[in-house]
Amino acid sequence: ETGVTQSPTHLIKTRGQQVTLRCSSQSGHNTVSWYQQALGQGPQFIFQYYREEENGRGNFPPRFSGLQFPNYSSELNVNALELDDSALYLCASSSPAGGLRETQYFGPGTRLLVL
Amino acid sequence: AQKVTQAQTEISVVEKEDVTLDCVYETRDTTYYLFWYKQPPSGELVFLIRRNSFDEQNEISGRYSWNFQKSTSSFNFTITASQVVDSAVYFCALNSGSARQLTFGSGTQLTVLP
Repeated sequence: ETGVTQSPTHLIKTRGQQVTLRCSSQSGHNTVSWYQQALGQGPQFIFQYYREEENGRGNFPPRFSGLQFPNYSSELNVNALELDDSALYLCASSSPAGGLRETQYFGPGTRLLVL
Repeated sequence: AQKVTQAQTEISVVEKEDVTLDCVYETRDTTYYLFWYKQPPSGELVFLIRRNSFDEQNEISGRYSWNFQKSTSSFNFTITASQVVDSAVYFCALNSGSARQLTFGSGTQLTVLP
């Protein structure tokens, strides 16, 4: 069974640039969630995708957008990067069949530094 | 609104000591799920346990045990005979109501000294 993978592992960008982060879900999972984890804090929910549609969104501005593809992989796009966007971005996959009880399995994350 | 509080920011113990990590949650929903994740320095969140609101039976898995008490809205995690490899940040998380996302606490950094 293949786990959740993310790319790239590290990224350095400058303020105002745009970035795309990628995630491949665990086999058998069709739901992908994205989280932002600032240093020393717990992960904060950005949004979730199910069947290629956004299925819930946290308190993040529209410059954070995403996509899910037919193979259930996903992208997180961030436009007009700000210094505060520097964080670890975590992708999690799950199967929605269990509803609330679905367990989200996380990838290794992408560390983004905005200068 | 959902909220998870982990009041212990950092805990340091000597190997073989027992340690308990506290988690207090808030939700107005009657159906919810609680989770614990471990985050080693590599950054990946590793799933440890899931518990539903209707099952207050405590659970033991090897050196790990969990104490769920609805009366105090707590879901505490105990590591028995801690080992250096247990050193990590531990997160408690909640999923309830119509929300599909996990609400995380701020985490507890556990350091086990040899």
